Amino acid sequence: DTGVSQDPRHKITKRGQNVTFRCDPISEHNRLYWYRQTLGQGPEFLTYFQNEAQLEKSRLLSDRFSAERPKGSFSTLEIQRTEQGDSAMYLCASSKGLDLSTDTQYFGPGTRLTVL
Amino acid sequence: AQSVTQLGSHVSVSEGALVLLRCNYSSSVPPYLFWYVQYPNQGLQLLLKYTTGATLVKGINGFEAEFKKSETSFHLTKPSAHMSDAAEYFCAVGLRDYKLSFGAGTTVTVRA
Repeated sequence: DTGVSQDPRHKITKRGQNVTFRCDPISEHNRLYWYRQTLGQGPEFLTYFQNEAQLEKSRLLSDRFSAERPKGSFSTLEIQRTEQGDSAMYLCASSKGLDLSTDTQYFGPGTRLTVL
Repeated sequence: AQSVTQLGSHVSVSEGALVLLRCNYSSSVPPYLFWYVQYPNQGLQLLLKYTTGATLVKGINGFEAEFKKSETSFHLTKPSAHMSDAAEYFCAVGLRDYKLSFGAGTTVTVRA
């Protein structure tokens, strides 16, 4: 069990550019989640996948955001035409996909995005 | 909809003193409750969780939390703080699916 990994760890971009983040979940975890954490706040749910199917998207996920999980393994989160308000830590988590009473979400170290 | 409120964004304790982090929740149905810890440059790590049964839950690193339905609280405690406990702590609530709602977090500093 190598844990959830995210790449890159830091990304600085200019407003209007597109960025893409990658998340590699724990092997054989069926569920993969994306959260966003802004300064001084706790993580906020963005979206989640059950295998390759994206089952829910938060209202926080505007049309400029898109997430994929091809083949049910790694996932990518793309932000198009970045805005300064997109600056945040983007966290990925994975779990076996059971009920919360028996399941645990394991978090990666996050990708810190700074939009200039 | 469920939510949590963490009282105090910053707590400072002396090494060896009691650590008490407060969390109150709001939920229309009995919730599952969680405490996570985040060390610098690391992902969130689960400390403990309450689902059903015993209301006093023991977690890792000597932490425990008590679910009090009448007070809608799930406060986290540790009898004796260690320097390694310096981190940010998040309380979270979830229903019987998958989504967690986190509080704003409490940063703990430990004075030597």
